[in-house]
Amino acid sequence: SQTIHQWPATLVQPVGSPLSLECTVEGTSNPNLYWYRQAAGRGLQLLFYSVGIGQISSEVPQNLSASRPQDRQFILSSKKLLLSDSGFYLCAWSVQRELSLYNEQFFGPGTRLTVL
Amino acid sequence: AQSVTQLGSHVSVSEGALVLLRCNYSSSVPPYLFWYVQYPNQGLQLLLKYTSAATLVKGINGFEAEFKKSETSFHLTKPSAHMSDAAEYFCAVSDDIYNFNKFYFGSGTKLNVKP
Repeated sequence: SQTIHQWPATLVQPVGSPLSLECTVEGTSNPNLYWYRQAAGRGLQLLFYSVGIGQISSEVPQNLSASRPQDRQFILSSKKLLLSDSGFYLCAWSVQRELSLYNEQFFGPGTRLTVL
Repeated sequence: AQSVTQLGSHVSVSEGALVLLRCNYSSSVPPYLFWYVQYPNQGLQLLLKYTSAATLVKGINGFEAEFKKSETSFHLTKPSAHMSDAAEYFCAVSDDIYNFNKFYFGSGTKLNVKP
C-alpha cells in the first residue's frame, strides 16, 4: 500500500531563516506531487505541483520554492522566511494517468510551521 | 474555471441529529467532485468522490453525498451525527490539465457535535 510521509511535524523558525520541508511517498511510482498551505481559518492554497523529476510548476508568486530531486521526494524551501509563511503545510500525491479527473489526492500528515 | 462554494463556515448539530454540509460547484464541464475530512492537526482524508457513475455516492463513516446537476450541488449528509464526526470538511472539484488533476477546494466547514 501507498504511504506519504512529511517531516518535521512541527517547526518554529525565526523570520529570515531558511526552510526545508520534506515529503516522500512510498508504494507508487511516478506520482503527481503537490504542496499546499493552509493558513489559520482559511482553506487550502495550492503552492506547487510536479508531474515528474525536476518538473515544478508554481501556482502563486512567493518566496517559497520547490524541488523534486527523486521520483517520490518533494521538497519545499525558502531562503528567508516571512511572518506570513506561517501555516500548516500539506503534501499530497495522486496517480498520474490519462483522464485523471477522478483521481483523488492523498494527503500527508502535514507540517505546522510557525515563523516568529 | 472550476470552483466550489461551501455555505456555512461552522455548523453545529446535536449527537444523533442529521448532518448536512453544503457544497455548490461551478464547472464548465461535467465535474468530478470530492469530499475530504480533516481532524485537528492532521492531513485530509477522502470521504467520497463523485465520478458520474451514480448520483448518490456513499463514503466512509456513514457519510453520503448526492450530485444534483440542476442545483449544481453536492451536499454531504449523515443521518445521525457522532461525536467523532467533529472535524473540518472540504469539498473539492477536479480539473484535468494534461494528466495532472488540479483540485479547487472550498473554504471548509467546521462541524461541531454537541452531546
